[in-house]
Amino acid sequence: DTEVTQTPKHLVMGMTNKKSLKCEQHMGHRAMYWYKQKAKKPPELMFVYSYEKLSINESVPSRFSPECPNSSLLNLHLHALQPEDSALYLCASSQETGPSGGYNEQFFGPGTRLTVL
Amino acid sequence: DAKTTQPNSMESNEEEPVHLPCNHSTISGTDYIHWYRQLPSQGPEYVIHGLTSNVNNRMASLAIAEDRKSSTLILHRATLRDAAVYYCILRKASGTYKYIFGTGTRLKVLA
Repeated sequence: DTEVTQTPKHLVMGMTNKKSLKCEQHMGHRAMYWYKQKAKKPPELMFVYSYEKLSINESVPSRFSPECPNSSLLNLHLHALQPEDSALYLCASSQETGPSGGYNEQFFGPGTRLTVL
Repeated sequence: DAKTTQPNSMESNEEEPVHLPCNHSTISGTDYIHWYRQLPSQGPEYVIHGLTSNVNNRMASLAIAEDRKSSTLILHRATLRDAAVYYCILRKASGTYKYIFGTGTRLKVLA
């Protein structure tokens, strides 16, 4: 199974709502990533988790709160978002986050398309 | 982080070879060159990667210049299913693997 699943596929929320995005992989990968992608732009890295610990936070506003409850699951909790946060949110996983003898390709999910009203 | 530069868009006829260029003049000696592509309505998918030597796999070939300041992704026979945005990415060989995506090249394949 080389699949990364993301739920929901689409999400519409108001600026006062609290919602969560979910990402799951069963490839035994120990690194998981959140990216944000605006229309017609490349993905931008937000967070990196390594062995369930936050490894990188690319200066993301605190209204985005990541969580890695176990090695297969990654959540992104959303609170008090702004309309400019509307984007495609991509999750990815890889074997490791650093050198391990392998090339560590990242496997991406299909994304959650978020609209903030 | 080293940056990559790619043409915004390219066109190719079906069943013809496609050469997608990437400039990375600030590449360091240990940066790996990765290519990913993003099909419409999907997340990116891995295509190929290399360090110094040219590389081939079932999807494509990667030609790396001797000075490593540029590389070319080669699709040997483009099909309509190859229409996608192709990203050239530099990834460091040490530390946490961060992918900094370039702007990418949108490939259009004409039937």
